[in-house]
Amino acid sequence: AQKITQTQPGMFVQEKEAVTLDCTYDTSDQSYGLFWYKQPSSGEMIFLIYQGSYDEQNATEGRYSLNFQKARKSANLVISASQLGDSAMYFCAMRDFISSGSARQLTFGSGTQLTVLP
Amino acid sequence: DGGITQSPKYLFRKEGQNVTLSCEQNLNHDAMYWYRQDPGQGLRLIYYSQIVNDFQKGDIAEGYSVSREKKESFPLTVTSAQKNPTAFYLCASSIPTGYNQPQHFGDGTRLSIL
Repeated sequence: AQKITQTQPGMFVQEKEAVTLDCTYDTSDQSYGLFWYKQPSSGEMIFLIYQGSYDEQNATEGRYSLNFQKARKSANLVISASQLGDSAMYFCAMRDFISSGSARQLTFGSGTQLTVLP
Repeated sequence: DGGITQSPKYLFRKEGQNVTLSCEQNLNHDAMYWYRQDPGQGLRLIYYSQIVNDFQKGDIAEGYSVSREKKESFPLTVTSAQKNPTAFYLCASSIPTGYNQPQHFGDGTRLSIL
């Protein structure tokens, strides 16, 4: 069974600085996808970035980048130039892939609450 | 705009009562999901459906039921058998094929016990 571990319950960062949110995963599958979601206090889940297990380059989406280290089974999210609006809960999730056409669930970590300080 | 609509935003349940949470999507996605989120925790899968008239239990299906009569709709019923229903419920949808497709979420329903 898949497992996602986020060891930082809470993180603080100064506005305009970069921050790294940790995520490690455990799976026996060779093909899988890793996702990061942002959940503001209002509750909606916002998709941020995706990394496939076979992708050779780290994913980037604007100020978000994913530091993917496959051998260490880690997929840390890096937010550059933090903004006050980045304050939210951040979840790492993994989706495995058994065969074409198979819908697989997302397994979520417990989340990291990020607070950006002015 | 395409998206997922959950209603109501807030819901109160009396002891012994069944309540139904609505989830509608116009993204033309085949797969839909229901998650439960308790305070300060991650999401746990209740049920999911890959196609109309088919659905599968997730990790915490006891005390819940679903139906999938239409592609656009995936309502969740919280039955009286669910002894601790107070939580935040999120509905999601996705293209089922491929592991690189993100799930898109609704804004959630907060359920409380009276």
